[in-house]
Amino acid sequence: AQSVSQHNHHVILSEAASLELGCNYSYGGTVNLFWYVQYPGQHLQLLLKYFSGDPLVKGIKGFEAEFIKSKFSFNLRKPSVQWSDTAEYFCAVNAPGRRALTFGSGTRLQVQP
Amino acid sequence: DTGVSQDPRHKITKRGQNVTFRCDPISEHNRLYWYRQTLGQGPEFLTYFQNEAQLEKSRLLSDRFSAERPKGSFSTLEIQRTEQGDSAMYLCASSSPPGQRQADTQYFGPGTRLTVL
Repeated sequence: AQSVSQHNHHVILSEAASLELGCNYSYGGTVNLFWYVQYPGQHLQLLLKYFSGDPLVKGIKGFEAEFIKSKFSFNLRKPSVQWSDTAEYFCAVNAPGRRALTFGSGTRLQVQP
Repeated sequence: DTGVSQDPRHKITKRGQNVTFRCDPISEHNRLYWYRQTLGQGPEFLTYFQNEAQLEKSRLLSDRFSAERPKGSFSTLEIQRTEQGDSAMYLCASSSPPGQRQADTQYFGPGTRLTVL
């Protein structure tokens, strides 16, 4: 089945460590790619998105993601995490021709001070 | 606050009862989406409106579920004869018309958490 996979379900890091969260999708064709974040007690917020152009996209709060078409991947990175980055992170994809987003199961990031 | 709003934020009901949730999108957005999120999972798409037209429905949307957007503004999601398996967070999102900046970006509301006893 066509899907979005997030490989890491729970990640624990110390402050200042580097972060990379994996996301792979299985759709062919042109897709739109998103990372959303959900801080504790808050609603889903958009971190960054990729529609076309430069495959390295920068988002809010120092996050970036790289689209690698050959690997069907859109991994999220941050060079140095902060305690305030503790949250759940969701990768999402617009499959070709569809408005609905397909989400991965999420990665819970815990940053220890 | 000009974001997506949802009401109520929490709903506890007994099995077999009907419930209705409301979503108010960002004012200039003509597209509105409903998703369901269960614990430990990402949101799953339920249905999508463009203006008042319901253009897509997921197979998750059983006959007990109905959504409306009568005037192309707010939307309601009704669940009839609720079951314990309906317990979830129900999320609403909206996006702007085609051709506008951010047209393919969905902005989410805070959700309605439903608990069916």
